[in-house]
Amino acid sequence: KNEVEQSPQNLTAQEGEFITINCSYSVGISALHWLQQHPGGGIVSLFMLSSGKKKHGRLIATINIQEKHSSLHITASHPRDSAVYICAVQNAGGTSYGKLTFGQGTILTVHP
Amino acid sequence: EADIYQTPRYLVIGTGKKITLECSQTMGHDKMYWYQQDPGMELHLIHYSYGVNSTEKGDLSSESTVSRIRTEHFPLTLESARPSHTSQYLCASSGSHRGQPGYTFGSGTRLTVV
Repeated sequence: KNEVEQSPQNLTAQEGEFITINCSYSVGISALHWLQQHPGGGIVSLFMLSSGKKKHGRLIATINIQEKHSSLHITASHPRDSAVYICAVQNAGGTSYGKLTFGQGTILTVHP
Repeated sequence: EADIYQTPRYLVIGTGKKITLECSQTMGHDKMYWYQQDPGMELHLIHYSYGVNSTEKGDLSSESTVSRIRTEHFPLTLESARPSHTSQYLCASSGSHRGQPGYTFGSGTRLTVV
């Protein structure tokens, strides 16, 4: 079992729909990251959070530390949101501090 | 502007050549990382550094080597490239910049060895 599990692996939506991507992890973490990767490969950091909820534009990220679970929500989705969304956890303490362990990614396609 | 820069963006090279992938960051971050990503696959850590003159192997075995002589610079070198090295290589850094913790990725280098 992977340390970071994302669901769904593939997600297709119509423009305007509300989208949720889930991430569960099994290790102690100092922070959780949501990343966006477009075709061409570059990665953009969307959120870094260690508790609660963060919002940036149409994107909302939440984390429940006790349940080891995080969600990324996209409101009023748009075709330009089409990308791979990756959950990554930042290991807590010790020699692993700062390193990221990645989920397998969720491929999101938003149709007009 | 605070950022992390990787060059080249794309590289096609013949087997046996020596190559160096460059990575520089302007945020003064202590920690830097190299991740490898095969097409359609997860990212895996291949090297990391906690500061100048500190380098460690990551979770995924790699024939590449790294150096950290300056805080801002973390180049990755392949002494003799092989087709199995064809992959995307992503550099990242983490630390505090202007009082805010952050984790920043470069745009990646897509390497093809023919």
